[in-house]
Amino acid sequence: DQQVKQNSPSLSVQEGRISILNCDYTNSMFDYFLWYKKYPAEGPTFLISISSIKDKNEDGRFTVFLNKSAKHLSLHIVPSQPGDSAVYFCAASAYGTSYGKLTFGQGTILTVHP
Amino acid sequence: NAGVTQTPKFQVLKTGQSMTLQCAQDMNHNSMYWYRQDPGMGLRLIYYSASEGTTDKGEVPNGYNVSRLNKREFSLRLESAAPSQTSVYFCASIKQNQETQYFGPGTRLLVL
Repeated sequence: DQQVKQNSPSLSVQEGRISILNCDYTNSMFDYFLWYKKYPAEGPTFLISISSIKDKNEDGRFTVFLNKSAKHLSLHIVPSQPGDSAVYFCAASAYGTSYGKLTFGQGTILTVHP
Repeated sequence: NAGVTQTPKFQVLKTGQSMTLQCAQDMNHNSMYWYRQDPGMGLRLIYYSASEGTTDKGEVPNGYNVSRLNKREFSLRLESAAPSQTSVYFCASIKQNQETQYFGPGTRLLVL
């Protein structure tokens, strides 16, 4: 039972264009969502997060959108850069009840071509 | 400030052998976690420790044991390794009442 799903295993984008990574969840108890970025042979690093009381959070080139009714969130990267090439994981938690436990999606491999 | 450290970086085991994966954090975090990452599966929680002295099972605990040795250290033990435990193992920690987990660099384990 995959509670957090990233249905696109990979995404290829040209440098300077927008990258949109998608994530769906099924557990209505989730109220906090995060995106992590992972380079090969390294641990995941935190990128951006959003609470369920918001529908958008922006940090520089990265924006996360949350659609609670559709149980869907997306990460927008504008403009995309070759250094953004990595695996992106969506994660969710039930804040305050989960002891910080995260449920991760399968990941999406983003490749940004120069 | 080293963050979250893991040892070893890479290990090869034979089926039935045992080993302990070590994790330490120097950020004074309360909670610590062990995940495994497999292709197409994302990261799955094995065990976690909400605070020093407590441990609980996650999504995939079978075949593993953990010890929260003190606030800094959280170890993961494989008593009798199986090929299905071939994976990359990540340790993570988090400060109380925060949601951003900090991850170690991972241990790549191959069980033959």
